[in-house]
Amino acid sequence: ETGVTQTPRHLVMGMTNKKSLKCEQHLGHNAMYWYKQSAKKPLELMFVYNFKEQTENNSVPSRFSPECPNSSHLFLHLHTLQPEDSALYLCASSQGQATNYGYTFGSGTRLTVV
Amino acid sequence: DAKTTQPTSMDCAEGRAANLPCNHSTISGNEYVYWYRQIHSQGPQYIIHGLKNNETNEMASLIITEDRKSSTLILPHATLRDTAVYYCIEGGSQGNLIFGKGTKLSVKP
Repeated sequence: ETGVTQTPRHLVMGMTNKKSLKCEQHLGHNAMYWYKQSAKKPLELMFVYNFKEQTENNSVPSRFSPECPNSSHLFLHLHTLQPEDSALYLCASSQGQATNYGYTFGSGTRLTVV
Repeated sequence: DAKTTQPTSMDCAEGRAANLPCNHSTISGNEYVYWYRQIHSQGPQYIIHGLKNNETNEMASLIITEDRKSSTLILPHATLRDTAVYYCIEGGSQGNLIFGKGTKLSVKP
């Protein structure tokens, strides 16, 4: 365990479903991130939250909706996804957003859209 | 986009040192070099990071050239469990980590 917990580990959903991914960290970090990793592609940064405020949205489609109720929890709400959204979704946290701090990643949620 | 360049793949014999190179010629003076690795279908794992000086921890050593335009990650005694994709990262525009394609290291018996 890294201290960043993601649930569920695997998720299969239909294109008309609504589901949520959850990320929780008990490291006392104040920044949290969502990354997407599609097959044979680099990790893509999706959203950044710093002290519960969204500081970056990398042109992510609105069918992905993040929520950060506090510094320890991060959600990614999913609705009307497409099959190309199937990927490994990774959550990470860090003590700060400056480049001199490392990130701790969770194990990810493997999402399959059918 | 990622600003570092790494070889696509490398092989290493078990028990030998694995030396993974990275070019980061556009790195700015206050940006660190980070190394992470990702074992199949798991989240990336932090290995080591450095600014100017060489660094060593229980996992690896990081050698940074004097001009800071390149670095080498050294796994002193590679094991089969070190087979993974290794990412060299210099950090994004707002301090976010931007991953490239990394180097796929295969440790062979």
